[in-house]
Amino acid sequence: GAGVSQSPSNKVTEKGKDVELRCDPISGHTALYWYRQSLGQGLEFLIYFQGNSAPDKSGLPSDRFSAERTGGSVSTLTIQRTQQEDSAVYLCASSPGQGVNYGYTFGSGTRLTVV
Amino acid sequence: GDSVTQMEGPVTLSEEAFLTINCTYTATGYPSLFWYVQYPGEGLQLLLKATKADDKGSNKGFEATYRKETTSFHLEKGSVQVSDSAVYFCALKDSGGSNYKLTFGKGTLLTVNP
Repeated sequence: GAGVSQSPSNKVTEKGKDVELRCDPISGHTALYWYRQSLGQGLEFLIYFQGNSAPDKSGLPSDRFSAERTGGSVSTLTIQRTQQEDSAVYLCASSPGQGVNYGYTFGSGTRLTVV
Repeated sequence: GDSVTQMEGPVTLSEEAFLTINCTYTATGYPSLFWYVQYPGEGLQLLLKATKADDKGSNKGFEATYRKETTSFHLEKGSVQVSDSAVYFCALKDSGGSNYKLTFGKGTLLTVNP
């Protein structure tokens, strides 16, 4: 597509429920990233995909968080048994490659509210 | 490890004022430096970048010069507009094994009043 698309744009869920956040990167972009943006914490790196594999998942906060990417394209971030501290904006980004000179193209994010 | 420090906000200016947002960094390798902008309700957009020392990135009237000697990448604009109101993030990508990862500063909120 023309840009990075994320869905849903907003999600309100009850504590303890599971949620799935979707990211559709720019066509042909091999690298995909998830970040979390919360007040006072800035932008936290969660996970990096190169193709369908995740060489760096060091930023996932707990084992309740998981992500996958299929077909070198769409990625899904899953949060199990959501907690109130999971409330944040989850941003997905993609880039044509992983080199130091490549910037990212971000989606508009999914605002997750756990009540 | 790598880190980015940018000036605390919020910054409030009148239209046509001069803008500087300071950014300094710590990196172990030879980083590329970036400024991103986030308008209300939107994702981050790349504003400008510089990939080596003394490079100047520029876009939409904004500019920043990669200063290796002071490890800085300050963002400047000569005359801000109300439409420039947004959050600005300085970021780096270091060379080496983690050259895929953007490390961000905490962001600076800019409000421009008419």
